[in-house]
Amino acid sequence: DTAVSQTPKYLVTQMGNDKSIKCEQNLGHDTMYWYKQDSKKFLKIMFSYNNKELIINETVPNRFSPKSPDKAHLNLHINSLELGDSAVYFCASSQETSGVNTGELFFGEGSRLTVL
Amino acid sequence: RKEVEQDPGPFNVPEGATVAFNCTYSNSASQSFFWYRQDCRKEPKLLMSVYSSGNEDGRFTAQLNRASQYISLLIRDSKLSDSATYLCAVRDSWGKLQFGAGTQVVVTP
Repeated sequence: DTAVSQTPKYLVTQMGNDKSIKCEQNLGHDTMYWYKQDSKKFLKIMFSYNNKELIINETVPNRFSPKSPDKAHLNLHINSLELGDSAVYFCASSQETSGVNTGELFFGEGSRLTVL
Repeated sequence: RKEVEQDPGPFNVPEGATVAFNCTYSNSASQSFFWYRQDCRKEPKLLMSVYSSGNEDGRFTAQLNRASQYISLLIRDSKLSDSATYLCAVRDSWGKLQFGAGTQVVVTP
């Protein structure tokens, strides 16, 4: 069973469209993340949720809206897509132990978004 | 200036040789440090944590130099399967895990 799964794996769409990427983890972790990896391979954190609560919100356009219906799911909705949104979006999860995050993030396989 | 910086490489390494590379971080309050490995078109996976006293895992050795704010990774007896991009990750005082852009290693026969 895939520990962190995200769908779709590939997404090609036109500028101005709205799209969503879904993520689910079956590891029982309480923290989930969205990272963006651009063409220069720089992996940048976008959002982090802990038990459905938003705890990290980096400087991301408000066209990006995460939603966490429960601690096993973290979806990403993007409105009015722009060319610069083309990237690979990785979902990840981690577990805190006694308030300390061990640092091991488990990543999904990534969703490659291409905006034309 | 980026918070975590790495030499992008590529480091071309003959099979069996040793390769080492560093990662610098800007926030002196950073709390914990890691090396991740990312294969082409795959997700990153944790390679090893980096402890203050340095640590080894098989052919891989990680070091932390807090005074100069860098961590290093050394790979001994390189294998073809070591070809990948190695991402440095630093957890800052707010709990965020910040990644470098990665160092590409290419091991050649």
